[in-house]
Formats: sequence, C-alpha cells, structure tokens
Amino acid sequence: EAGVTQFPSHSVIEKGQTVTLRCDPISGHDNLYWYRRVMGKEIKFLLHFVKESKQDESGMPNNRFLAERTGGTYSTLKVQPAELEDSGVYFCASSQERGSHGYTFGSGTRLTVV
Amino acid sequence: DAKTTQPTSMDCAEGRAANLPCNHSTISGNEYVYWYRQIHSQGPQYIIHGLKNNETNEMASLIITEDRKSSTLILPHATLRDTAVYYCIVGGGGTSYGKLTFGQGTILTVHP
Repeated sequence: EAGVTQFPSHSVIEKGQTVTLRCDPISGHDNLYWYRRVMGKEIKFLLHFVKESKQDESGMPNNRFLAERTGGTYSTLKVQPAELEDSGVYFCASSQERGSHGYTFGSGTRLTVV
Repeated sequence: DAKTTQPTSMDCAEGRAANLPCNHSTISGNEYVYWYRQIHSQGPQYIIHGLKNNETNEMASLIITEDRKSSTLILPHATLRDTAVYYCIVGGGGTSYGKLTFGQGTILTVHP
C-alpha cells in the first residue's frame, strides 16, 4: 500500500511569491489533514477534510492560506503571498476513519521563504 | 494547548526497555491516549492508542493507570532506530475529534 505522498519535498521561494503544496493521501482514505511545524515550535493542526469538504479549518493561520481537495482525492495547500514566518515543515496525513486512530503522515514539505 | 506533560528527554541503553511516562490529569471520559513518534526529518508515525485498558501491538505496549491520569509507553527492546521524539497526545473525542494537539514530546536517545 502506497503511503501519503507529499510534493515537493523542499521548496525555497522569495517573500511575496506563491507556493502550492500537494498531498496525495492513501487511496480510499476520506479524511485528510494538514499540519505544520514552524521553526522552534510544536506541530500544529491546520485543517481537516472529509472527502472534498472542509470539516475543521480552525488552525489555518490567515487568509493567505488556501486549501482545496478536488474530488475528494489529492489536496493542495496554497500560500499566497508567502511571508518569512511561513517557513517550516508542512505535513499531510490521512485516515480511513474520522478521529485520531492511526493517522498516516507524509514525510512533509520543507518550505523556506527568503 | 497540549493536555499532556512529558519529560523533555530520556536515555535508554540498546536492548533494554524504554519506559516513557506521560501525565494527562485533565483527560475526559471519552478521550483516548495516543502515542506518535517522529524520527528526524520524517513525518510523525503512529505507535499505539488506548482508552482504559492496557494495549500491546508489535511496536510497543501502553499502560494506562486506573484513574487514566497518566500512562506509560513501553518499548520492550529498544534499538538505535528507536531514537526519536515521542509524543503523547490526548484526544479523539468531543470537539477535538479528528485533530491531534502535539506538545513538545520526549526526546528518546537510545545508545549502544
């Protein structure tokens, strides 16, 4: 079984530019989550999709962040425009059942804004 | 904010059992205890979870006290590859359903 795949693994962009991160969950997993760790801080929840619908987006930091999940399959997280404080590692996770049982995380995308 | 308290770091000799404690005195009746770990530069990895009873799987054992205010993750025979940050997380019920709240975790170092 393929795991959760994230692309790109690394991205370096200039402040003010746009970056789009992609996550492919495990096939058949309706639940998809985005988390991030910014420098020196804890891993923080961003949002949760159930299929194509946003179940909980309480962790999204501001309106520069836009998450989509077209057709309930892969998801994208766009940052526009990127700021220096957006630098960090962005993780995607998926699960078959709602709730925290046995999430599978991807390896993350390391975003550096310069 | 995380609802758990863990030691910042611990050491363990290779081949010995690693016992990682966690306090969660404010846990509510419908919340589970989850353990995840993060090995350097990888995404968090699920280890085990439990509600009231002790649990065991191929990776570890989870011992939950009767009052559910604390728990211990046991890695029975630690290897060098078990060196990681271990997170004890309480959730899975109520408004936190579907959301993991990570704390600082315990840095476990397994040495030869």
